[in-house]
Amino acid sequence: EAQVTQNPRYLITVTGKKLTVTCSQNMNHEYMSWYRQDPGLGLRQIYYSMNVEVTDKGDVPEGYKVSRKEKRNFPLILESPSPNQTSLYFCASTQNGRNTEAFFGQGTRLTVV
Amino acid sequence: LAKTTQPISMDSYEGQEVNITCSHNNIATNDYITWYQQFPSQGPRFIIQGYKTKVTNEVASLFIPADRKSSTLSLPRVSLSDTAVYYCLVGGTNAGKSTFGDGTTLTVKP
Repeated sequence: EAQVTQNPRYLITVTGKKLTVTCSQNMNHEYMSWYRQDPGLGLRQIYYSMNVEVTDKGDVPEGYKVSRKEKRNFPLILESPSPNQTSLYFCASTQNGRNTEAFFGQGTRLTVV
Repeated sequence: LAKTTQPISMDSYEGQEVNITCSHNNIATNDYITWYQQFPSQGPRFIIQGYKTKVTNEVASLFIPADRKSSTLSLPRVSLSDTAVYYCLVGGTNAGKSTFGDGTTLTVKP
């Protein structure tokens, strides 16, 4: 089954404690992306990747890092989480650079206290 | 990236046809128009995509006029389970650089 898998689904952490949210896709897609979603602000793109070792900033990259060492994985790293990063996070993937549909993961609800 | 404008909310009743319009005045020549559906606490799900004229699939139709500055998502005979937020996305890749608009919250009533 084609899917994008995020882990964990829920996470509560404390300010400053580094964390990683994993994202994996099994469709051999080239493009992957991270979004955060907050009430009243819709989906905002954090980072995206066009292929292995190629990443670029989205609209709200501050406080986040990403890496793309393998085609299937695109982890989101919060080096020093802060309460304003409490949000619902989604990972997505697309087959290639043309206009194809994006597949989204089920989301990770992060709370930073 | 083309900015999109959609109505914030719409109400409908079961069995009715619903049309949601998205404005995208600055759409580029190579841009496609894609619509997604999102239920609370779930990831968006692809509904339909088009470039011009009309596209139809098993769940919706997408109407795009010749100037491509707007598009209309048509949902035939909606049910309660169609209550969701609908996003119009215009751009190159759907997981490359992309900007979602605010979306339209559709509420279907019995």
